[in-house]
Amino acid sequence: SQTIHQWPATLVQPVGSPLSLECTVEGTSNPNLYWYRQAAGRGLQLLFYSVGIGQISSEVPQNLSASRPQDRQFILSSKKLLLSDSGFYLCAWSTGDTQYFGPGTRLTVL
Amino acid sequence: EDQVTQSPEALRLQEGESSSLNCSYTVSGLRGLFWYRQDPGKGPEFLFTLYSAGEEKEKERLKATLTKKESFLHITAPKPEDSATYLCAVMGGSNYQLIWGAGTKLIIKP
Repeated sequence: SQTIHQWPATLVQPVGSPLSLECTVEGTSNPNLYWYRQAAGRGLQLLFYSVGIGQISSEVPQNLSASRPQDRQFILSSKKLLLSDSGFYLCAWSTGDTQYFGPGTRLTVL
Repeated sequence: EDQVTQSPEALRLQEGESSSLNCSYTVSGLRGLFWYRQDPGKGPEFLFTLYSAGEEKEKERLKATLTKKESFLHITAPKPEDSATYLCAVMGGSNYQLIWGAGTKLIIKP
């Protein structure tokens, strides 16, 4: 069966510090991978998606970047965090239409 | 513009009191409509995918239905463990990205 991991689960970072969130998927090959951000009381906002190694599409201009160094690894990064980067970050995978989500990372920027 | 609206924002029910959650959508060429359950601080958990008007799917106390303009998530004789936020998303035919609603927070009181 397929599983998806995200870490860390929670993170508190000062403004201006770098960020690296990691997501890995097990039990499937060549999945589509997604990074979402979820603000309280709002729908999920797609940040990045990837259909293969090294292939990244960005949905919104922002302070964040993504990379996919291996087939089942997806990384979300920032060089300098802003207060507005706080939120709940979710990684998801799919091989068809249905997306399956990881447990999420709660990021607080102070 | 593709759009998803969920109502009500919050719903409080007594244990055993059946009700329905609504997801209204506008999209160019519906490819699929998705229901997820999300517990506080966790990633969304996939429930159902519906592809065409008239389709119905069931899982335990939940039944999802689809028309050309909206979907309903019916919950029959709910239990406190059904308390969660229920998210709806649609995928249009011209774009494989999901458009998300803001969710309905369901609270079941014992």
